[in-house]
Amino acid sequence: QVQLQESGPGLVKPSETLSLTCAVSDYSITRGYYWGWIRQPPGKGLEWIGNIYHSGSTYYNSSLKSRVTMSVDTSKNQFSLKLSSVTAADTAVYYCARRDGYSQFDKWGQGTLVIVSS
Amino acid sequence: QSALTQPRSVSGSPGQSVTISCTGSSSDVGGYNYVSWYQQYPGKAPKRMIYDVTKRPSGVPDRFSGSKSGNTASLTISGLQAEDEADYYCCSYAGSNTVVFGGGTKVTVL
Repeated sequence: QVQLQESGPGLVKPSETLSLTCAVSDYSITRGYYWGWIRQPPGKGLEWIGNIYHSGSTYYNSSLKSRVTMSVDTSKNQFSLKLSSVTAADTAVYYCARRDGYSQFDKWGQGTLVIVSS
Repeated sequence: QSALTQPRSVSGSPGQSVTISCTGSSSDVGGYNYVSWYQQYPGKAPKRMIYDVTKRPSGVPDRFSGSKSGNTASLTISGLQAEDEADYYCCSYAGSNTVVFGGGTKVTVL
């Protein structure tokens, strides 16, 4: 049963870079699928951030594209998210997930809350 | 990419049916048969309930069903139960390997 687990700092200062990692267990990310990041500001809806394939191909939300970088480390079976120049508006629970097919995310991490504050 | 439009809330009594709409455009919902629905309880990760407009993963009760007409997709919960009280989100493929979520709908069981 594939499992995903997010990790990273829970507090980031404004203007700095948010960095998160998603460790995947019981499934090799090189076997396929796209791997994605989705966030949810407190009390608000879900927002797709982007997807990455094991080959390193990336696809980002156009509204965040200028600040987002995703990468994959196949040796550690994990993928990562970097979001630069953060503001309070980037405060959210960040989820990593496996994308199966064109629009469905079938496996999710538990989510990690990142607060942007000085 | 604009968020898909969902009603903020819907409600129904136990045993009734409720339908949640998800309206987009020809660039997302209307252009592809790739709409999924997620159920989310407070403080928990979303759970996939429907994918590819109408398909239901194993383990999801058959009282959850999906459909689509034009630029609007719908999730229907038949025989509403107390445990169905949650937030529901739609998600559509939007071309070029991108997706877009709806704003979410709170389902209340009266």
